[in-house]
Amino acid sequence: DAGVTQSPTHLIKTRGQHVTLRCSPISGHKSVSWYQQVLGQGPQFIFQYYEKEERGRGNFPDRFSARQFPNYSSELNVNALLLGDSALYLCASSLVQGARYEQYFGPGTRLTVT
Amino acid sequence: AQTVTQSQPEMSVQEAETVTLSCTYDTSENNYYLFWYKQPPSRQMILVIRQEAYKQQNATENRFSVNFQKAAKSFSLKISDSQLGDTAMYFCAFMKPAGPLTGTASKLTFGTGTRLQVTL
Repeated sequence: DAGVTQSPTHLIKTRGQHVTLRCSPISGHKSVSWYQQVLGQGPQFIFQYYEKEERGRGNFPDRFSARQFPNYSSELNVNALLLGDSALYLCASSLVQGARYEQYFGPGTRLTVT
Repeated sequence: AQTVTQSQPEMSVQEAETVTLSCTYDTSENNYYLFWYKQPPSRQMILVIRQEAYKQQNATENRFSVNFQKAAKSFSLKISDSQLGDTAMYFCAFMKPAGPLTGTASKLTFGTGTRLQVTL
């Protein structure tokens, strides 16, 4: 079975632009989480979706938004990009939302803002 | 809010030797989960081991084991018989119990990581 997939792998954008990152969870997984990993730091929680509903949001500005589709795939959108948004964006899926269920991570999307 | 601290930015170990990575955390919760994740240069975050706080027995997974000291809020990872493939960033992470019934996110709170280099 395929693992969590993310697209694109790499992305270069200019300040002020908008970006959309995509994530496809493992087949059958209904929960998707997004994390931002700045170079040299641990991942920071951005959003969690379960059954197409937002279940949690981290300490990120409103420029960050996300959604989950009926097939459980997800998009992360970032508006008005800043240099500080440069990071590795990780998507994780789990069968069900909950601490008992392992979160499986994708390979990430490397976003560079110039 | 929970915080996770990894005080060793980098560590090195020779192949076949044993190494211990340190992690401390701060929380007012009594029930929670702790994890060690491995992130090799390929960037894919891989779960190494998990520990439920209500379990007194330390978790083990093959060459990986933890020393969980709940009162001290310490959660160290021991890697035995180190292999070249163990070279990676290792992150300690915390999660509060959560699920559909609680209405809260099951989010991971990560430390800053320890870069482990296994040498010949």
